[in-house]
Amino acid sequence: DTGVSQNPRHKITKRGQNVTFRCDPISEHNRLYWYRQTLGQGPEFLTYFQNEAQLEKSRLLSDRFSAERPKGSFSTLEIQRTEQGDSAMYLCASSYPVGSGNTIYFGEGSWLTVV
Amino acid sequence: QKEVEQNSGPLSVPEGAIASLNCTYSDRGSQSFFWYRQYSGKSPELIMSIYSNGDKEDGRFTAQLNKASQYVSLLIRDSQPSDSATYLCAVNIYNFNKFYFGSGTKLNVKP
Repeated sequence: DTGVSQNPRHKITKRGQNVTFRCDPISEHNRLYWYRQTLGQGPEFLTYFQNEAQLEKSRLLSDRFSAERPKGSFSTLEIQRTEQGDSAMYLCASSYPVGSGNTIYFGEGSWLTVV
Repeated sequence: QKEVEQNSGPLSVPEGAIASLNCTYSDRGSQSFFWYRQYSGKSPELIMSIYSNGDKEDGRFTAQLNKASQYVSLLIRDSQPSDSATYLCAVNIYNFNKFYFGSGTKLNVKP
């Protein structure tokens, strides 16, 4: 399987704990995105990497959220001091520019439940 | 105003009918347009992309783009119960760095 891989797929954590999600993009994709999706809503942009550089962060991304992409390959998204409002599906996507378009492909998502 | 607007539905169509899903966007700098399908509890799956005004067909799916009206649509011919899902419209604005998604339209195809 050469698609975008995310783990863990499901995480239940107590409020106040830290959680980390990992994303392995499609090989040779130099762009990597993190999105968050809650029930009934479309994915919301969180942050974006081109290679190892984090080029953009959403205002949605509070100081409790941090993302890294060391060496421009896999990426991690860490949420510190989780709150119940952080419960959502965290989606990773990757892309490589093709012609005039820039199509992104999603991983299977990581579900977070904060209790 | 949200960047991408979709009717949340649900849109119900009988099996074999044509389903028509619509999307409007606010930024005239939008250059790339996408339709994703999302089954309940799953991640979005790319169906089609469209970049130029007009129609683009792929099997039972046709995407239509009208940049003057800032309107994108997806037609699904010969709808099947397996097409029942939420359809997300996404646009990529001129800086190529972000994709904005609508909230999705839920489609129910009744056998």
